[in-house]
Amino acid sequence: QITLKESGPTLVKPTQTLTLTCTFSGFSLNTPEVGVGWIRQPPGKALEWLAVIYWSDEKQYSPSLKSRLTITKDTSKNQVVLKMTNMDPVDTATYYCGHRRPVGGGIDSWGQGILVTVSS
Amino acid sequence: DIQMTQSPSTLSAFVGDRVTITCRASQSIGTWLAWYQQKPGIAPKLLIYKASTLESGVPSRFSGSGSETEFTLTISSLQPDDFATYSCQQYNIYPWMFGQGTKVEIK
Repeated sequence: QITLKESGPTLVKPTQTLTLTCTFSGFSLNTPEVGVGWIRQPPGKALEWLAVIYWSDEKQYSPSLKSRLTITKDTSKNQVVLKMTNMDPVDTATYYCGHRRPVGGGIDSWGQGILVTVSS
Repeated sequence: DIQMTQSPSTLSAFVGDRVTITCRASQSIGTWLAWYQQKPGIAPKLLIYKASTLESGVPSRFSGSGSETEFTLTISSLQPDDFATYSCQQYNIYPWMFGQGTKVEIK
């Protein structure tokens, strides 16, 4: 059974850097084709894909946020970390991590999400 | 970026109705499309991947079809548990993009 859980601060100040950790079980990021992605959802709005990292350490980012995002993995800890710099109130959202289905695609398992509020 | 446009934005229906939601891509994505169901305060749940493959455990009343730029999600007989928001996602080309969502409400 695959599980994921996001952790990190729920309140950050404008201009600060947000660091979120996704801790997972039930799969390994050493397995070919496996990936973990980050998606966010502002209150009442649509889902927005942020980044994905694969077993090979290939990384892909949303172009609109690429300059602010860094995604890394620690396979020994079964964790993926997302950093977002220069946080702004418009970045207030629920942040999810998810397991990318290796065959066929799609995000087949999601964390519960963490609501991050950006406010001074 | 590939834009994903869903219609309608909101849909009111009765239990038992057949419901169809459309998702259009601004350029061809083959069949690299997923559908998700989301209820308030809960993470999305994968229903369909590769445009028409039902995720394990998802009721057979859900089905997906389409290719290239036009896709549909159909619920053959709407059940009380199906009232939720449905979103499509393309994963053919980065950046992956989601549709804006379709809220299915009780009529």
